[in-house]
Amino acid sequence: DVVMTQSPLSPPVTLGQPASISCRSSQSLVYKDKNTYLNWFHQRPGQSPRRLIYQVSNRDSGVPDRFSGSGSDTDFTLKISRVEAEDVGVYYCMQGTYWPYTFGQGTKLEI
Amino acid sequence: QLVESGGGLVQPGGSLRLSCTASGFNFNDYRMSWVRQAPGKGLEWVANIKQDGGDEVYLDSVKGRFTISRDNAKNSVYLQMNSLRAEDTALYYCARDPWGHCNTGMCYGAFDMWGQGTMVTVSS
Repeated sequence: DVVMTQSPLSPPVTLGQPASISCRSSQSLVYKDKNTYLNWFHQRPGQSPRRLIYQVSNRDSGVPDRFSGSGSDTDFTLKISRVEAEDVGVYYCMQGTYWPYTFGQGTKLEI
Repeated sequence: QLVESGGGLVQPGGSLRLSCTASGFNFNDYRMSWVRQAPGKGLEWVANIKQDGGDEVYLDSVKGRFTISRDNAKNSVYLQMNSLRAEDTALYYCARDPWGHCNTGMCYGAFDMWGQGTMVTVSS
């Protein structure tokens, strides 16, 4: 199975400052169609997860543009340009290139 | 919208059937998955089923014990869980897997809709 490793697990963050989460996969996430199926989800306390970004860098409608995804092959990053209070919660990367789908262990953002 | 039901307390070795009913979209067009979250832990994908039910994929640790199925006439997907173990204790989410329905075309595993979850507790 593809192992997804996130870091840091609990970064110190300050309102208005940037934050960055790294996600590394144990093998390349480039599928035979040349696309990369790496997704990011956000789960606020007591809520269901919500998709933020799919295919590395495609932001969902309604997701603030302070969120951006980047990366390739085995190395991916979620960046928040300026952290706001509503960004608290746990962020997960997840690969959809291979069965079984696998999630990272989660990065908890606390203000 | 996705609404799960069927969770509860069950003894080790017991069985439970989870249901997820969809509304607001053409259910027949989408693959569906179950994803679970043990108390205080992260997310773990469990099973996925094709639009017509003709293809099912499972996490190894549930293969042979869990069965995913769907009834498109009822806009519902199910998870039959047998031989339950303590480590199956989790909040079980139903999630829509959009595959070919993203703006970019295919988008495997890009769960774009989640239910609120139903809790399964396996304990004696």
